[in-house]
Amino acid sequence: QVQLLESGPGLVKPSETLSLTCTVSGGSISGYSWSWIRQPPGKGLEWIGYVYYSGNTNHNPSLTSRATISVDTSKNQFSLRLSSVTAADTAVYYCARVGSRSSLWPLDYWGQGTLVTVSS
Amino acid sequence: DIQMTQSPSSLSASVGDRVTITCRASQSISNYLNWYQQKPGKAPKLLIYAASSLQSGVPSRFSGSGSGTDFTLTITSLQPEDFATYYCQQSYNTPWTFGQGTKVEIK
Repeated sequence: QVQLLESGPGLVKPSETLSLTCTVSGGSISGYSWSWIRQPPGKGLEWIGYVYYSGNTNHNPSLTSRATISVDTSKNQFSLRLSSVTAADTAVYYCARVGSRSSLWPLDYWGQGTLVTVSS
Repeated sequence: DIQMTQSPSSLSASVGDRVTITCRASQSISNYLNWYQQKPGKAPKLLIYAASSLQSGVPSRFSGSGSGTDFTLTITSLQPEDFATYYCQQSYNTPWTFGQGTKVEIK
């Protein structure tokens, strides 16, 4: 059973960079794409982007190039960096696995989520 | 971006009821449509992928249908554990986008 676990600071100051890591267990990171999604308190879900295990990425343009997603296959981890954060970036951040092409790429395994608050 | 619109935004239902949630895409997405269930304080859980395929381990009372722009999630006999918020999501084009959610509450 694939399991994902987010880790990183729960509090980030405005204008600084948010950094989160997702550790994958119970399966290899190879062969799949891996995604970040966020959810502001009381609101809906926003897709941030994904990284293929080879390192190719695709990001949501709404984040105006502030987001960087990377992968470390040796550690079975992938990461998110979001620069120049503001209070609007306060959210629960989820990592998830992107399912196969044959299943039309659903987000089939999710981490538990981690709340990141942007505040001075 | 492809806009996903769910209706209703919320509904009240009783245990045993048949519940239907609709999701409309702003352009054709073929069958690149997924449904998730989210309970308070928990991560979303995949229920249906490719519009109508049931994810492993999900009860058969959940079903999905549709293609193109109009999709439906149906719960044939609502159970106490089904009270949650449901989201549709398109994986046809990036940026992938979600509907605003439908909250299913106890009547």
